[in-house]
Formats: sequence, C-alpha cells, structure tokens
Amino acid sequence: AQTVTQSQPEMSVQEAETVTLSCTYDTSESDYYLFWYKQPPSRQMILVIRQEAYKQQNATENRFSVNFQKAAKSFSLKISDSQLGDAAMYFCAYRRRNTGTASKLTFGTGTRLQVTL
Amino acid sequence: NAGVMQNPRHLVRRRGQEARLRCSPMKGHSHVYWYRQLPEEGLKFMVYLQKENIIDESGMPKERFSAEFPKEGPSILRIQQVVRGDSAAYFCASSSGLAGADTQYFGPGTRLTVL
Repeated sequence: AQTVTQSQPEMSVQEAETVTLSCTYDTSESDYYLFWYKQPPSRQMILVIRQEAYKQQNATENRFSVNFQKAAKSFSLKISDSQLGDAAMYFCAYRRRNTGTASKLTFGTGTRLQVTL
Repeated sequence: NAGVMQNPRHLVRRRGQEARLRCSPMKGHSHVYWYRQLPEEGLKFMVYLQKENIIDESGMPKERFSAEFPKEGPSILRIQQVVRGDSAAYFCASSSGLAGADTQYFGPGTRLTVL
C-alpha cells in the first residue's frame, strides 16, 4: 500500500521569505503522480501543483515549485516570496497513473503554514 | 462557475437519522470520488464511481454507508443511522478520467455534525 508522510505538523515563514514543506512517500510503482493541495480556512481543497513521476524536470507554478527526488521518494514544496494568503494547511498526495481502479488519492497528514508580518 | 458543487454545505443530524450528501461534478467530468476528513486529519479515500458504476469502494465502511452516481443527476453519499463518529467534512472530487490529464478537482465539502 502507498503511504505519504509529512513530518512537519506546523511551519512558519515571514512575509516575502521562502519556505520549504517536506513530503516523502512509499510506493513500489514506477509510474505515478504527486500533488500538493492547499486547504485555507474555508476548507476548500485547492490544487497547487502537480508532478508526473516520469518527468525529471521539477514542476513550477509561479511562486510554487517542487523538488522531486524519485530515488529518495521525496517531494518537497517551495513557496517563494510568501504572502499572507499562503497561510493554510498543505497536503501532499500521491496517485498511481490512471489504470482504472487505481485512481484514488492518498494524502499525507498535512502541514499547517503560518505567514507572519 | 463550472466547478464541483456539493450540497448542503452544512448538515446537522441526530444520532440514528440518515444523511444524504450530494455532489455534482465539473462539466465534462464523469468520474467522482468521495473523501472524508476527520477533525485535524488528512483526507481519506472512501469510494470512486463512474456513471452507474462503483469502481473502487475499498475505503467505505462496511455498514451504513453507500454511494451512487446515477445516469442522470448528482452523485449521492448516503449514511444511514448516523453516529457521532460520522461527524466530519465530506469532500467530493471529480475528474475527466482521461489518461495523463486525470487531476481531481474538489468541491467545497459538506460538514456533517451528528448531535
């Protein structure tokens, strides 16, 4: 079974600074997707960034980028130029490449990010 | 707004009553997933459905819980004889099912409170 581990229950960053959230996962599969979702106080789950395991290039979305280390099964999220609106719970998630029944997301326990002035 | 719709947003039930949660997927999506989030925890997969078919229900409790996604209308997650431990946020997600583009987009969730 696949597992996703987020070892940082809480993180804090000053506005305009950079922060990195950690995520490791365990799988025997070679083809899969990794995601970071953001959950603000509204509880809405918002997709931040997605990475295909077969791509060596790290995904980036504006101020958000990942460091994907496939051999180490590590998938960290870097937030640059942090803004107050980045304060939220961040969940790392894993999914096998779509093969019919294997489409569920497996989530980590989350990291609560605080952004201070 | 063509996003995933869930209703109601908040639902209060007394122990022993039934809860029905509804999910309308994004336009063009035919795959629906239900997840449950207990307080201060991550989301846990419950069930994956396509139109008129349950594909994977490995995360569904064996009793009292059922899900459907009929040919017409929204997907329904039904909880019979609710207990206090069912209090949680229930999220629905949808996807197109297309290989290589199968990102799941989430609805706003239904927060169920059992008194």
